[in-house]
Order: sequence, then C-alpha cells, then structure tokens
Amino acid sequence: KQEVTQIPAALSVPEGENLVLNCSFTDSAIYNLQWFRQDPGKGLTSLLLIQSSQREQTSGRLNASLDKSSGRSTLYIAASQPGDSATYLCAVGNSGSARQLTFGSGTQLTVLP
Amino acid sequence: SAVISQKPSRDICQRGTSLTIQCQVDSQVTMMFWYRQQPGQSLTLIATANQGSEATYESGFVIDKFPISRPNLTFSTLTVSNMSPEDSSIYLCSVVAGTGSYEQYFGPGTRLTVT
Repeated sequence: KQEVTQIPAALSVPEGENLVLNCSFTDSAIYNLQWFRQDPGKGLTSLLLIQSSQREQTSGRLNASLDKSSGRSTLYIAASQPGDSATYLCAVGNSGSARQLTFGSGTQLTVLP
Repeated sequence: SAVISQKPSRDICQRGTSLTIQCQVDSQVTMMFWYRQQPGQSLTLIATANQGSEATYESGFVIDKFPISRPNLTFSTLTVSNMSPEDSSIYLCSVVAGTGSYEQYFGPGTRLTVT
C-alpha cells in the first residue's frame, strides 16, 4: 500500500526567502505526482504535475523535482511572498487503471511579511 | 483543465439524517472521484464514480453509507447517510481531464458539520 509523507508539517519563513518542501513515497511504481495548494476551508488548486518519466517541472516561481527510484519529490518556491501562505499537498498517482491519488498530510506554509 | 462546482458549499445537519452532495463538471470526463478530508487531516479517497455502473469503494467505505450516482459524464452525487458527528468533514469531488497526463482537478468542496 502506497504511503506518502511530507516534511516538515509546518514551516514559517520571512518574505523573500527561497524554500523547499519535501515529499517521500514508499512504492516507486507511480504514474505521476502532483503538487497542490489548499487555502483554509477551500478546495485544492493544482500547481504542478510530473509524469513518472520526467525529472522536474517548472511554473513561475515553482519548481518540482521527482526522483522515482529513491521515492522523493521536492517543491522549490523562489522568492516567497505572503500570498504563498497555504497548505501544500503532495499526491502520488498510483499505477493501474484507476489513476487514484494517495495524498501526503501536507506542509502548512506561512510567509511572514 | 476542468471547472468543477459542488453544491452545497456547506451545511449543518442533525445526527441521523442524510445529505446529498452534487458535483458538476463543465466538460465530459471519464474518471470522477470522491474524497473526504476530516478536520486537520489529509484527503482520503472514498470511491471512484463510474458512469453507468456501481461506484468502486475503497477499504473502509461502503455503499450503504455513501451511495454514489453517476448518471452521465458531467455529473455525480454523493450521499452521506445516517450521519453522525464523525462524518463532519470536507467532501471533495475530483476529475481527471484530458488524455495521457491524468492530471486531477478538484471541486471547491462541501463542508459538512453534523451536530
């Protein structure tokens, strides 16, 4: 059974800092990996999707990497802003017909002005 | 991408009653899922909503408690039956849009409180 772990559980940084969020998974037989953002009381916003054959994806100030063999992904946020404050969730798309996602418990990020 | 709406956005219900949550997508999609997010927790998959056939439930979730309908490729409902305070959660539907990438998109969620 796939298990996804995110470290740290919470992170507080001053505005302008670069930061890295970590995600690890136990079964390397994945189809893809997605990073989401969740604001309090809201749904999920998809940030980046990495296919199992890819090593990284970039969108603006965000860069996500994937090392499938070691079961790890990182989300790099450059020049953080207070508007980046949210919970960041890593989700692994498991191989198989259903393409179901297994979620980590999230990292709660606070960017201080 | 896909734009997903859910109704209601939130509700407060009494113990023992049932609530039906609707999920509407702006385009036809093959795969649709229902997730639960309990307070302070991450998301757990409840079931895959299959068009024209019974939903496929994950371990720990049963059809009698969470009946699901999927009458067409743009709409699904999830009913939370005989509710107890432990059912207080955010319920989210998601879809896989496009072909090949299997990127998932989520609705805004339904926040349910059971008293």
